Amino acid sequence: NAGVTQTPKFRILKIGQSMTLQCTQDMNHNYMYWYRQDPGMGLKLIYYSVGAGITDKGEVPNGYNVSRSTTEDFPLRLELAAPSQTSVYFCASSYSATGATEAFFGQGTRLTVV
Amino acid sequence: RKEVEQDPGPFNVPEGATVAFNCTYSNSASQSFFWYRQDCRKEPKLLMSVYSSGNEDGRFTAQLNRASQYISLLIRDSKLSDSATYLCVVKYGGSQGNLIFGKGTKLSVKP
Repeated sequence: NAGVTQTPKFRILKIGQSMTLQCTQDMNHNYMYWYRQDPGMGLKLIYYSVGAGITDKGEVPNGYNVSRSTTEDFPLRLELAAPSQTSVYFCASSYSATGATEAFFGQGTRLTVV
Repeated sequence: RKEVEQDPGPFNVPEGATVAFNCTYSNSASQSFFWYRQDCRKEPKLLMSVYSSGNEDGRFTAQLNRASQYISLLIRDSKLSDSATYLCVVKYGGSQGNLIFGKGTKLSVKP
């Protein structure tokens, strides 16, 4: 059982470039999330989705876009990379948004914008 | 503003020691509480949920005090493998189901 899979694991972007961070889960979870984690900081929610076709902004959505065409996939798009987007990005999924349900995380994507 | 506050540490303890971490949260509407563990350069993984009556899992004990809005984690008989960052996580209910993460408390267990 693969769980939550993110690609790529590492990436270096130049300022102004675009890229898509891929995230897929095989647990049939409805809820999926994108977080970023800066050094020494907690995880900040970028976008989340409660099901296929439904997405919404989290705490720090500026500079990012998402889509959720299937239950399994939740890609994160950076259109014009900026140094402030240098971070570690984690995708997560959970069965439910309520109750004590566990969120499962991917291994993360380390992004550097230079 | 929804916030979760933790002492960043580091807590440097010898093997076999007992260590406790506290966490406070600002929103009284919080519904669920968790401790996650994050190893260096790895993803967070659930350590344990925290229930109102308190709960124990082996050497780990979690407590919740809703009146004071704090959560604690006690680790007994620390092992070298317990070295990690411990994240306090609060979930708010409703359709958003947002997980709010503390910045984490770093634990280093020494031989």
